[in-house]
Amino acid sequence: EVQLLQSGGGLVQPGGSLSLSCAASGFTFSPYAMSWVRQAPGRGLEWVSAISGSGSSTYYADSVKGRFTISRDNSKNTLTLQMNTLRADDTAIYYCAKDVRPASIFEGSCFDAWGQGTLVTVS
Amino acid sequence: EIVMTQSPATLSVSPGERVTLSCRASQTVRNLAWYQHRPGLAPKLLIYDVSTRATGVPARFRGSGSGTEFTLTISSLQSEDFAVYYCQQYTNWPPWTFGQGTKLEI
Repeated sequence: EVQLLQSGGGLVQPGGSLSLSCAASGFTFSPYAMSWVRQAPGRGLEWVSAISGSGSSTYYADSVKGRFTISRDNSKNTLTLQMNTLRADDTAIYYCAKDVRPASIFEGSCFDAWGQGTLVTVS
Repeated sequence: EIVMTQSPATLSVSPGERVTLSCRASQTVRNLAWYQHRPGLAPKLLIYDVSTRATGVPARFRGSGSGTEFTLTISSLQSEDFAVYYCQQYTNWPPWTFGQGTKLEI
C-alpha cells in the first residue's frame, strides 16, 4: 500500500523557518516526481513546489520562490520542504503528493497519493 | 498561468440524484484531473487524463470534456460523495493550477 507519512510543521513566528518531511513507503520512490500542495484556511488547493524523481529538476510557485526549497533523498525515500522567511499568508495545511505516473524525464502530472497533511501556522 | 474556474461554487443536492460539476480553463488544456476533498482528509484523485478513473474509484464518477470545458458527472450521489471537488490542469506548468472548488452539500 502506498503511504506518505508527513512530519514537521507547527507554530512559527513571521520571518522564521520550518522544515516539513514526507516519508514514502509501499512503492519505488525514485521514479516518481513529488510535489507539495497547500490549503490555506477557508481556501482551495494551491500547488507549492515539485521535484523530479532524480531531484535534478525543481519548480516553485511564484509565491514561495526564493524562500522555500524542495529536496529529496532517494536512499531514504524521503521528501523535504525547507521553508524560510515565513509569512502569515504561508499559514496552511501542507500536503506532500506523488505523481500518478513514473517518468524518466520530468513531465507535469497529477497526484494519486497524498500525505495526511501537516498544519503550518505563521503567527 | 492557466486559470481554472469551477461552477457552481456550491451545489445543494439529495442522495440518489445525478450531478454535473463544471470546470473551465483560461486556455486549452489536454491534461485534467478531478479530486474529491472531504474535511480532515487528504484529497483523493478521482479522474485523470480528463476521463480515466483512478484505481478503486466507482463507476458512478465520470469525467469528460475537451479544450477549455470539462465536466465531472456523479450518476447517483451516495452519502460519502458530499465533499469539495477540485479540477486541476497539468498541461502547462509550472504552476500546476487548481480550480477554486465546488462544494456538494446535502
